[in-house]
Amino acid sequence: DGGITQSPKYLFRKEGQNVTLSCEQNLNHDAMYWYRQDPGQGLRLIYYSQIVNDFQKGDIAEGYSVSREKKESFPLTVTSAQKNPTAFYLCASRPPNPGEKLFFGSGTQLSVL
Amino acid sequence: GENVEQHPSTLSVQEGDSAVIKCTYSDSASNYFPWYKQELGKRPQLIIDIRSNVGEKKDQRIAVTLNKTAKHFSLHITETQPEDSAVYFCAASTGPGYALNFGKGTSLLVTP
Repeated sequence: DGGITQSPKYLFRKEGQNVTLSCEQNLNHDAMYWYRQDPGQGLRLIYYSQIVNDFQKGDIAEGYSVSREKKESFPLTVTSAQKNPTAFYLCASRPPNPGEKLFFGSGTQLSVL
Repeated sequence: GENVEQHPSTLSVQEGDSAVIKCTYSDSASNYFPWYKQELGKRPQLIIDIRSNVGEKKDQRIAVTLNKTAKHFSLHITETQPEDSAVYFCAASTGPGYALNFGKGTSLLVTP
């Protein structure tokens, strides 16, 4: 969907390295989300943020960290503690009432070297 | 937290037939149920959604039904076409700002 940008499209991580995935939106949405997608596993929630300077852990937060210093930005860091980081990562944002549609970015494919 | 179960995981139908995908949810407070379609390598796209105050919603060949008592909802695609082939995800949410919890997806294949 237009208005939410993820970068890079492909990312490679070396052993013991932290990497950061970027997510920027110009839709003026308060809520932003990070999902991890593995084949046959659907979309699993990593972290979400309902407002600036606040965020909550999702179902699989271990080995990941986030920040929400600006409304437009919600970067995700994959730390060295995440032992199996290879996956497709999707960022999303969502408007407040009455609309509830989730707007997705185009995703980042992270692989381990 | 919310648990969304989706069945079947794979579905193969012939062109022109109907396809039905079913989901159940665990949190009775959930009130928003969208369905997303994802083609290979692309982002999920919303195809239809339903709120808990409605039992059925239809958009051309696609319909969704919701049974709040049984806590399940279903996607119905009629007159399927090869371009309907994709992975379909159901999801549930308790309200705006809260996370969508997704099912594991159904890979639909429509053969000519």
